[in-house]
Amino acid sequence: TQLLEQSPQFLSIQEGENLTVYCNSSSVFSSLQWYRQEPGEGPVLLVTVVTGGEVKKLKRLTFQFGDARKDSSLHITAAQPGDTGLYLCAGGRSSNTGKLIFGQGTTLQVKP
Amino acid sequence: ETGVTQTPRHLVMGMTNKKSLKCEQHLGHNAMYWYKQSAKKPLELMFVYSLEERVENNSVPSRFSPECPNSSHLFLHLHTLQPEDSALYLCASSYYGRSQEQYFGPGTRLTVT
Repeated sequence: TQLLEQSPQFLSIQEGENLTVYCNSSSVFSSLQWYRQEPGEGPVLLVTVVTGGEVKKLKRLTFQFGDARKDSSLHITAAQPGDTGLYLCAGGRSSNTGKLIFGQGTTLQVKP
Repeated sequence: ETGVTQTPRHLVMGMTNKKSLKCEQHLGHNAMYWYKQSAKKPLELMFVYSLEERVENNSVPSRFSPECPNSSHLFLHLHTLQPEDSALYLCASSYYGRSQEQYFGPGTRLTVT
């Protein structure tokens, strides 16, 4: 069974703080996506990383794919209340085209 | 309408009812997916359709019956559900074989009483 472990599962911080969410697996993925989901809505795709060691930035969010393509991290700088939500990582494998393996998610609460 | 739409957004049904969930994608994708999202569990993939053919069925009980009449529409027919089937049902679409990025609809919050 392919598993993606996310940590931490819950995070409550003050506005302006920095945080990092981790997504780890023992399996190699051909791509990894990060999604953010707000209550009562579907996940929204934030970024896709495909190359080992790749770093992508989206405003205050920095995403990194591990060199071995088994893990990824999401770092948020100076968190804002609007960053509150459930963050999901999902890994894809070239042999299972179309199928994604999802982590259990990290619930982030940013207090004003 | 843009993206992926789902109707209804909320559904309450008894265990003896029959209902259907509808999903429509306006992205020109050729694959569609049904997921179940329950509290404190990872997203569970239920069905995958590529070019209107079902390519995956993850041991889903027969009380859930998918239908994909064309590449833009996907249905999930529900009958004799159990209370533990209460969850958020999410539809997604993608370019099967070209990209692993999936785009989700807003979901249908289903409550089985």
